[in-house]
Amino acid sequence: DAGVIQSPRHEVTEMGQEVTLRCKPISGHDYLFWYRQTMMRGLELLIYFNNNVPIDDSGMPEDRFSAKMPNASFSTLKIQPSEPRDSAVYFCASSLARVLLSSGNTIYFGEGSWLTVV
Amino acid sequence: ELKVEQNPLFLSMQEGKNYTIYCNYSTTSDRLYWYRQDPGKSLESLFVLLSNGAVKQEGRLMASLDTKARLSTLHITAAVHDLSATYFCAVAPHSGGGADGLTFGKGTHLIIQP
Repeated sequence: DAGVIQSPRHEVTEMGQEVTLRCKPISGHDYLFWYRQTMMRGLELLIYFNNNVPIDDSGMPEDRFSAKMPNASFSTLKIQPSEPRDSAVYFCASSLARVLLSSGNTIYFGEGSWLTVV
Repeated sequence: ELKVEQNPLFLSMQEGKNYTIYCNYSTTSDRLYWYRQDPGKSLESLFVLLSNGAVKQEGRLMASLDTKARLSTLHITAAVHDLSATYFCAVAPHSGGGADGLTFGKGTHLIIQP
């Protein structure tokens, strides 16, 4: 299996520009998560989807952030307009359905998108 | 709000020594994960602990879970340099096996010196 695939791996953008991060979850996984990692705040859950439907977006920091999952194999996280404090590593992760998680299956992370806003 | 605390946050140890990383969490949960992250890399799943008293071992790493104490430990036996990494524990917020997003600890940055 190819694992969770994220793009771009690295992006440097100017303040005020729109940033779109992309994620392809592992085929067959029902859940998709977006996390943000910074030195100061560690790993924070931003939003997660179940069967393409957003379940909890309480971690999305502001209205400048939005996420979509138009189908089972693709999700985007958009920041518009971007600010320097958005600089972080953004991880996408996916997992199997709830009942299988109870059996010990794990949540798989992508390689991350390293975002720098200058 | 679920809180997950790890300690220590930084650990420098010599090869061959044993040490334990602790993970405390604040609310009821019966599913706890340990992940490893190498610099600039993704998170690699090490262990999933599902029930009170669960113990899992892989090589020099052993993880355990005490749900009554809300405590998990990651024990390193006879450390080797290749185990240098940041280790995270993560807790599922709801008991019963829900697939809600995990809450992560701050991580333990482990350096193993020859």
